Amino acid sequence: EVQLVESGGGLFQPGGSLRLSCSASGFTFTSVWMHWVRQAPGKGLVWLSRIKSDGSIIDYADFVRGRFTISRDSAKNTVYLQMNSLRADDTAVYYCASDNWGPHYWGQGTLVTVSS
Amino acid sequence: QTVVTQEPSLTVSPGGTVTLTCASSTGEVSSDYYSNWLQQKPGQAPRTLIYNTTKKHSWTPARFSGSLLGGKAALTLSGVQPEDEAEYYCLLYYGAAQVWVFGGGTKLTVL
Repeated sequence: EVQLVESGGGLFQPGGSLRLSCSASGFTFTSVWMHWVRQAPGKGLVWLSRIKSDGSIIDYADFVRGRFTISRDSAKNTVYLQMNSLRADDTAVYYCASDNWGPHYWGQGTLVTVSS
Repeated sequence: QTVVTQEPSLTVSPGGTVTLTCASSTGEVSSDYYSNWLQQKPGQAPRTLIYNTTKKHSWTPARFSGSLLGGKAALTLSGVQPEDEAEYYCLLYYGAAQVWVFGGGTKLTVL
């Protein structure tokens, strides 16, 4: 059974940093691109970033490039999203997803709240 | 800035047929955009129903189909069921920029 489990969410201060994790199981992690997507409360889905199976290609949405960093650890079957210079509008549920011509399997998401 | 546009809301009767569309501010949507369609119900994670314009995942009900229609990506539901009431998002791939972009979503009401 495919499982994607996000963690690392919580309440954070504006200007702070955090790292989200997404632990994958049930499929060959090293063969699959991975995505991060977010959804602000009551709003739509927003694509953030993706990383190739071997980490050699990384793409970002323009509005997060330079502030967010995606990475992966094949030994741990985990993909990460490092988020810096947090702002109130980063408040959202963050989802990871495996790729199959687009996001395929999805995790349940982790809530990040940025507030003082 | 690239904008992907969907109908904000649609209403369909049970057993009916409805088509949701997805337009790109850059022009005609083609197979090169590898359009995806996702369903999201309140309090749940999204679920991808259609990928690469027309392909279905193993969990996609047969009544859902993807296509290109009049320069847009389209999702057609035939024989709508009450459980199809949900938010539907399209997702397009822009190869030149190497980014994916979601549409704003269509709230489908089955009434």
